[in-house]
Amino acid sequence: NAGVMQNPRHLVRRRGQEARLRCSPMKGHSHVYWYRQLPEEGLKFMVYLQKENIIDESGMPKERFSAEFPKEGPSILRIQQVVRGDSAAYFCASSEGKNTEAFFGQGTRLTVV
Amino acid sequence: EDKVVQSPLSLVVHEGDTVTLNCSYEVTNFRSLLWYKQEKKAPTFLFMLTSSGIEKKSGRLSSILDKKELSSILNITATQTGDSAIYLCAVEAIANAGKSTFGDGTTLTVKP
Repeated sequence: NAGVMQNPRHLVRRRGQEARLRCSPMKGHSHVYWYRQLPEEGLKFMVYLQKENIIDESGMPKERFSAEFPKEGPSILRIQQVVRGDSAAYFCASSEGKNTEAFFGQGTRLTVV
Repeated sequence: EDKVVQSPLSLVVHEGDTVTLNCSYEVTNFRSLLWYKQEKKAPTFLFMLTSSGIEKKSGRLSSILDKKELSSILNITATQTGDSAIYLCAVEAIANAGKSTFGDGTTLTVKP
């Protein structure tokens, strides 16, 4: 049973471009969470999704950021018109249910140049 | 707003030493406190604590929750260089199960 898979592992974008980060949850997991980790900081919650639904997006910046978890395929975190401040590690976690342990992916390190 | 504060921010010890990492929290309707170990990759789950005073143990690592003091400690005995990592503490509220609020972590360096 593969763990949570994130790709790409490293992504470099120029300012103004779009970044798409993908997360495939563990088999059997229908709950996905995205976190952002800035250098020297802990993980900050961004969004919690179940299949086709956004449950809690209270940590998402109001503009340029969006997330989806379609019926088929991975969850996508999309950042439009990236800026230098978006440079961070973005982690995805998945769980089987709302009250069960979450497992983290390896993260995508986004660098905006 | 939920809040987690970890101390110390960083710690350097020698192999064989025992370390204690601290986590204090503020959360409305506490559900659980979690400890993770983060090396240069994904955070890996260590413990989930929900009840006060019950120690959870895994090898040389142990953790305990004090709901009265709104805090938890993570102990590592007989440290090894492989214990070098960032240790993250997180809390979950009942209303927001699945959404963890993380502290900034304690960076532990174990020297040979």
